[in-house]
Amino acid sequence: AQKITQTQPGMFVQEKEAVTLDCTYDTSDQSYGLFWYKQPSSGEMIFLIYQGSYDEQNATEGRYSLNFQKARKSANLVISASQLGDSAMYFCAMREVSGNTGKLIFGQGTTLQVKP
Amino acid sequence: DAGITQSPRYKITETGRQVTLMCHQTWSHSYMFWYRQDLGHGLRLIYYSAAADITDKGEVPDGYVVSRSKTENFPLTLESATRSQTSVYFCASAAGTGNYEQYFGPGTRLTVT
Repeated sequence: AQKITQTQPGMFVQEKEAVTLDCTYDTSDQSYGLFWYKQPSSGEMIFLIYQGSYDEQNATEGRYSLNFQKARKSANLVISASQLGDSAMYFCAMREVSGNTGKLIFGQGTTLQVKP
Repeated sequence: DAGITQSPRYKITETGRQVTLMCHQTWSHSYMFWYRQDLGHGLRLIYYSAAADITDKGEVPDGYVVSRSKTENFPLTLESATRSQTSVYFCASAAGTGNYEQYFGPGTRLTVT
């Protein structure tokens, strides 16, 4: 069964520094997608970045990049130059392409606090 | 307004009552989803729908009922609310599977007393 694991319940980072949020996954499918979402204290879910299992290059979106290591089944989110507004909960999620359901499986989340 | 909306945003109900959470999207997305968010569990899928009149169970469907008579609406009904259903409920939609992003509604905070 597919599973997402985020082992860091909480993280601290100094403003302007980079931070890595860990995510490992388990799936028997060859074709899948990995997503990261941000949930600020206001509660909404904000899509950050996507990585397909067949993508050869790591995905990047502005200050966000996804460190995709397929053999290790890890999909860590890297936030460069942290800002106070990055303080939030971050969720890693996976979608298996087989079954064609579109559903996401989420990890438990990591709370990031950016210190001034 | 364009997007995905949920109503009500906050709801307090009593054990045993029926309550319906509404979800409406304006993109004509085929896929719609209901998740619940609880501390320590992240988001868990309750039900999903691939198209109008096509629904299927997710990870935690017990005690919930869904329908999808129109593409844009996907209501979630708690037939007889229990305290364990106190949670934040998110509706989401997506244009397809694969690399399509899921867009989330603002959430409904439900308290069952």
